[in-house]
Amino acid sequence: AQTVTQSQPEMSVQEAETVTLSCTYDTSESDYYLFWYKQPPSRQMILVIRQEAYKQQNATENRFSVNFQKAAKSFSLKISDSQLGDAAMYFCAYRRGATSGTYKYIFGTGTRLKVLA
Amino acid sequence: ETGVTQSPTHLIKTRGQQVTLRCSSQSGHNTVSWYQQALGQGPQFIFQYYREEENGRGNFPPRFSGLQFPNYSSELNVNALELDDSALYLCASSAGQNQPQHFGDGTRLSIL
Repeated sequence: AQTVTQSQPEMSVQEAETVTLSCTYDTSESDYYLFWYKQPPSRQMILVIRQEAYKQQNATENRFSVNFQKAAKSFSLKISDSQLGDAAMYFCAYRRGATSGTYKYIFGTGTRLKVLA
Repeated sequence: ETGVTQSPTHLIKTRGQQVTLRCSSQSGHNTVSWYQQALGQGPQFIFQYYREEENGRGNFPPRFSGLQFPNYSSELNVNALELDDSALYLCASSAGQNQPQHFGDGTRLSIL
């Protein structure tokens, strides 16, 4: 079975600084997707960034980038120039690829990010 | 704004009761998934519907059931409520099974 592990329950970062959130996963499949979702107190899960396992290039979205290490099964999120609005719970998620049945997401337990002014 | 609307926002029930939670997806979103998120945890997959048929189920008992309708709305029904059912229930829809899921704001269910 696939698992997703986030070992940092909470992280803090100064405004305008850079922070990295860690995620490791376990799977025997070769075709899959990885995601980072942000969940502010408003509760809605917001997609931050997505990575296809078959792509070697790390995904980037403005201030957000990932370090995808497929062999090590590691998928960390780097937030540059942190802003107060980045404060939220961040969830790492795994989803099987297109040839592998139900497209359910498997989530980690989350990392609470605090941004200090 | 994801275009996924859930109702009600918050609900309080007692043990043994039944509850129906609703989700309205964007037009064209033929796939809907439901997740249970206990306090301090990540969301756990309950089940997924694709074109009105159940397309996969997580480790939840049969008293959790669902329906998906042709108008892109769906329901999650839970019978014989237990205290451990207290959680945030999230609905996520997509325009296809291999497309990104868009989440609603969730329904907070409290069991007394």
